[in-house]
Amino acid sequence: QSALTQPASVSGSPGQSITISCTGTSNDVGGYNYVSWYQQHPGRAPKLMIFDVSHRPSGVSNRFSGSKSGNTASLTISGLQAEDEADYYCSSYTSSTTLFGGGTKLTVL
Amino acid sequence: QVQLQQWGAGLLKPSETLSLTCAVYGGSFSGFYWGWIRQPPGKGLEWIGEINPSGSTNYNPSLKSRVTISVVTSKNQFSLKLSSVTAADTAVYYCARGFLWFGDFYPDAFDIWGQGTMVTVSS
Repeated sequence: QSALTQPASVSGSPGQSITISCTGTSNDVGGYNYVSWYQQHPGRAPKLMIFDVSHRPSGVSNRFSGSKSGNTASLTISGLQAEDEADYYCSSYTSSTTLFGGGTKLTVL
Repeated sequence: QVQLQQWGAGLLKPSETLSLTCAVYGGSFSGFYWGWIRQPPGKGLEWIGEINPSGSTNYNPSLKSRVTISVVTSKNQFSLKLSSVTAADTAVYYCARGFLWFGDFYPDAFDIWGQGTMVTVSS
């Protein structure tokens, strides 16, 4: 099983929107609606930001949104803020296991 | 407020067995999935495995031969054992709770995480 594919880095200015992609296969991202996104600040545990492709747990800002098309899921962050600077990971369910993406470093310019 | 507190040995020699325990405080233990995830220094997350409310386990195929996840329900604790460790097993290990939403379990979503334990394998 290979990790899901994410861009190594993305960047944006405060107030802008950015999108991070997560590409898998028909056996994982494309085959299930079980896609999640995590935010991780340095030295901290990951935080669940999106589950079930597009749903936000309570307490997560509505600036974070998720979607999926075919084998690629996406996380969009609108109205970028300095505190959004972090690593972001996608995950997907497949055959009774969970795959993570390689991670994307978001830099807020 | 549910919290996970984890502990275990932080320095191991090659071929030894990694053993970590995670305790659940401030919330229900029964009825949830419990998992372990690790992160090598400077690298991404890797799912190790999970245990469901009935005690059944699922493991990462790449680690399956060496991993055991178990629970002690009476103590609200679950544990991870990874045998025959090598330097490649050096990582921060996290315990985490599987996410439930309106009674549905989302298998790749973990909403509560432990603080992480750095485990180094070195001779």
